[in-house]
Amino acid sequence: KAGVTQTPRYLIKTRGQQVTLSCSPISGHRSVSWYQQTPGQGLQFLFEYFSETQRNKGNFPGRFSGRQFSNSRSEMNVSTLELGDSALYLCASSLGRTDYEQYFGPGTRLTVT
Amino acid sequence: GQQVMQIPQYQHVQEGEDFTTYCNSSTTLSNIQWYKQRPGGHPVFLIQLVKSGEVKKQKRLTFQFGEAKKNSSLHITATQTTDVGTYFCAGQSGRFGAGTRLTVKP
Repeated sequence: KAGVTQTPRYLIKTRGQQVTLSCSPISGHRSVSWYQQTPGQGLQFLFEYFSETQRNKGNFPGRFSGRQFSNSRSEMNVSTLELGDSALYLCASSLGRTDYEQYFGPGTRLTVT
Repeated sequence: GQQVMQIPQYQHVQEGEDFTTYCNSSTTLSNIQWYKQRPGGHPVFLIQLVKSGEVKKQKRLTFQFGEAKKNSSLHITATQTTDVGTYFCAGQSGRFGAGTRLTVKP
């Protein structure tokens, strides 16, 4: 089975711009979760989608949004980028919700200048 | 909301020494998962504990889930350089501990 894939792997954006990140889960996995990882804050949960519905959400501002398509692929959007949004964004897929083991993708490294 | 605290933040050991990282939750957990992230890599699932008092072993790694299902530990016996990385615990709903970064001196 192919693993979780994320595109793009690296991205450089300017403050104020918006960005869309993509995640393709493992075939058969219906849950996709997104995380922000920074050196100082560890892994911060953004949101989880299951069968195209947002099932859980972390404590991030409304600038962070996501969606899931019928094929379980997911996108995450960040609008009005700030310098502090520079981070590694990881997505993880699982069979069910986040109570199940999660398989992480390689991440998208976002740099905001 | 549920908070998962993990200590220590860093641990540096000599190869062959033991290592332990601890997780504590403010609320009862339905299960706890452990992940390992190598430098430059992404988190990789190690194990899930579900039952109160559960103990599971994977070679030199021993995982425990507390009786009250509020705490857990990961113990590595006789560390090797291949154990280097950050170990995370995770409760339900995507709540990860801050991680313990392990470095091993050969």
